[in-house]
Amino acid sequence: DVKVTQSSRYLVKRTGEKVFLECVQDMDHENMFWYRQDPGLGLRLIYFSYDVKMKEKGDIPEGYSVSREKKERFSLILESASTNQTSMYLCASFPGGANVLTFGAGSRLTVL
Amino acid sequence: RKEVEQDPGPFNVPEGATVAFNCTYSNSASQSFFWYRQDCRKEPKLLMSVYSSGNEDGRFTAQLNRASQYISLLIRDSKLSDSATYLCVVNLRDTGRRALTFGSGTRLQVQP
Repeated sequence: DVKVTQSSRYLVKRTGEKVFLECVQDMDHENMFWYRQDPGLGLRLIYFSYDVKMKEKGDIPEGYSVSREKKERFSLILESASTNQTSMYLCASFPGGANVLTFGAGSRLTVL
Repeated sequence: RKEVEQDPGPFNVPEGATVAFNCTYSNSASQSFFWYRQDCRKEPKLLMSVYSSGNEDGRFTAQLNRASQYISLLIRDSKLSDSATYLCVVNLRDTGRRALTFGSGTRLQVQP
C-alpha cells in the first residue's frame, strides 16, 4: 500500500512564525498535493507538484509556498503564519491516470 | 456554480436503513469518479471508484449518470460504523494534475 507520511500531526505556532509542513510518500508517485480543510469549505487545493522542482498554484496559494527537491518529499511553507491559516492540512500523493489519491494523516495547525 | 456539489446533510438515519447521496458535477469532460469516506478528524480514504455501468461493494452501490452529470452512493442496512462524511471526487482528465475536484462532503449519522 502507498504510504503518505506527514511528520507533524499537531502544531501550535504564533503569528509571524515560519512554519514547515513535511510530507513524504514511498511509492515513487509523480504527483503530490497540499490541501487545507476547513469546516463547511471542504478540501481546497493550495499547491501541487507533478515532478521534482515543478509546482503549480492551486485555488488558494496566497500565504503559502512549496518545495519539492526530491520526488518523495513535498513541503508546505508558511512564511509568516497568520491566524486565518489555522486549519487541517492534508498532503496527498497520486500516480496519475485513473488511479486514486492517497492522503497522509493530516497536520492540524493552530496559529495563535 | 461549484464544480462538484453535495448536500452537506447531516443525514440522520436509524440503523438498518437505506440511505442515498447524490453528487453533481458541472464539467461534462469529467472522466473518473470516486467516493471517499472521512471519519471525524481523520484523513479521507477511498471507499470506492464509480464505474460507468455502476458497481457494488457489499452494502455499498455506486452509480454514474453521465446524461444528468451526477454520481450516487447507496448504503443498505446502515451500521453505526457508517457514520462519517462522504466525499465525492471527480477527475476531469486522466493527467493526474490539478484535475481532482472534491465535493464538500455529505455527513451521515447512523443512530441506534
